[in-house]
Amino acid sequence: EAQVTQNPRYLITVTGKKLTVTCSQNMNHEYMSWYRQDPGLGLRQIYYSMNVEVTDKGDVPEGYKVSRKEKRNFPLILESPSPNQTSLYFCASSPGVSQNIQYFGAGTRLSVL
Amino acid sequence: AQTVTQSQPEMSVQEAETVTLSCTYDTSESDYYLFWYKQPPSRQMILVIRQEAYKQQNATENRFSVNFQKAAKSFSLKISDSQLGDAAMYFCAYIWYGGSQGNLIFGKGTKLSVKP
Repeated sequence: EAQVTQNPRYLITVTGKKLTVTCSQNMNHEYMSWYRQDPGLGLRQIYYSMNVEVTDKGDVPEGYKVSRKEKRNFPLILESPSPNQTSLYFCASSPGVSQNIQYFGAGTRLSVL
Repeated sequence: AQTVTQSQPEMSVQEAETVTLSCTYDTSESDYYLFWYKQPPSRQMILVIRQEAYKQQNATENRFSVNFQKAAKSFSLKISDSQLGDAAMYFCAYIWYGGSQGNLIFGKGTKLSVKP
């Protein structure tokens, strides 16, 4: 089954404790992206990747890092989480940059205390 | 900068009735795509319908159809014969065809309730 898989689905952590949210897709998609969803703000892009070893900042990249060492994986790293990063995070993938539908993972609910 | 506006934070519809969700957007580009995504309580983002800006014909997917008015920059979603399973948050989204960032620009969402 074609899918985008995020782990974990739920995470509660404390300020400053490094964490990684994994994202994996099995559709051989070149483009991957991370979004955060906050009440009343919709979804906003954090980082994106056009292909392996090619990543760039989205609209709200502060406090996040990513890597794209393999085509299928695109982890989101919070080196020192803060309470303002409490949010719902989505990974998405697409065959190309803009011309194609983006497929979303099931989301990761993160709470930073 | 491109923006997407959903002016109805919440909507309600009776089961089997029809409801229309509004969306307007602002862009100076001529080639783009517009989407409606559904987010049920499970939080999964599910694509409902897609419209290419160069197509004059409105997209339809079973009970879901859009009214795309390019000049007015309006993109409304009509749900016919509403079902209880249609209850969800609905997001309108835009993406520029020629963009290199590939980011979907989302509206803030409309929460749809369906009454039995």
